[in-house]
Amino acid sequence: QKEVEQNSGPLSVPEGAIASLNCTYSDRGSQSFFWYRQYSGKSPELIMFIYSNGDKEDGRFTAQLNKASQYVSLLIRDSQPSDSATYLCAVMEETSGSRLTFGEGTQLTVNP
Amino acid sequence: GAGVSQSPSNKVTEKGKDVELRCDPISGHTALYWYRQSLGQGLEFLIYFQGNSAPDKSGLPSDRFSAERTGGSVSTLTIQRTQQEDSAVYLCASSLRRVGLDTQYFGPGTRLTVL
Repeated sequence: QKEVEQNSGPLSVPEGAIASLNCTYSDRGSQSFFWYRQYSGKSPELIMFIYSNGDKEDGRFTAQLNKASQYVSLLIRDSQPSDSATYLCAVMEETSGSRLTFGEGTQLTVNP
Repeated sequence: GAGVSQSPSNKVTEKGKDVELRCDPISGHTALYWYRQSLGQGLEFLIYFQGNSAPDKSGLPSDRFSAERTGGSVSTLTIQRTQQEDSAVYLCASSLRRVGLDTQYFGPGTRLTVL
């Protein structure tokens, strides 16, 4: 079983819609959760991080964390074509110190 | 302010040669990380530095890989006797390594191609 799993996609949504990206993780001791965006040929760019159960909002982005279900998600409201990228879920596991364990990413395409 | 920088941006080498990849972290960031991303693969952790010491080097795939960090700043990742399977993008990240502020910021990466 992979430690961090994401919907492999690709996910396609129309412009203005809500894009929902999902991630599950296996280590119950995980403490910190991150969403990175990676454009083709570029390095990952931090979008959001979340530590506590519940929702965290930042502009058009909302991260949701449910530790009991070992589930973290990213919602993108009013999706724009510029949001088209691969979204990487990363987990910082308590037992491994500061290393991040990444999922394989979900490719999102927002169609004009 | 300046972000994480890496050099070279691209490196093409022949199988069996040694290569050195350099990372310059964000000023003031005490923690430095190396990851690699192979084609179609997720990011794979290699090694973590806190200051000049490496408390976690468990991700290094073989003894051909080594890394060092000097002056609590610049780090060099060395791959000896490169193999074709070493071809990947090598990414460096840095963080403040403080509780609640341990977000990692990535550099642009070095694309390594082993012929």
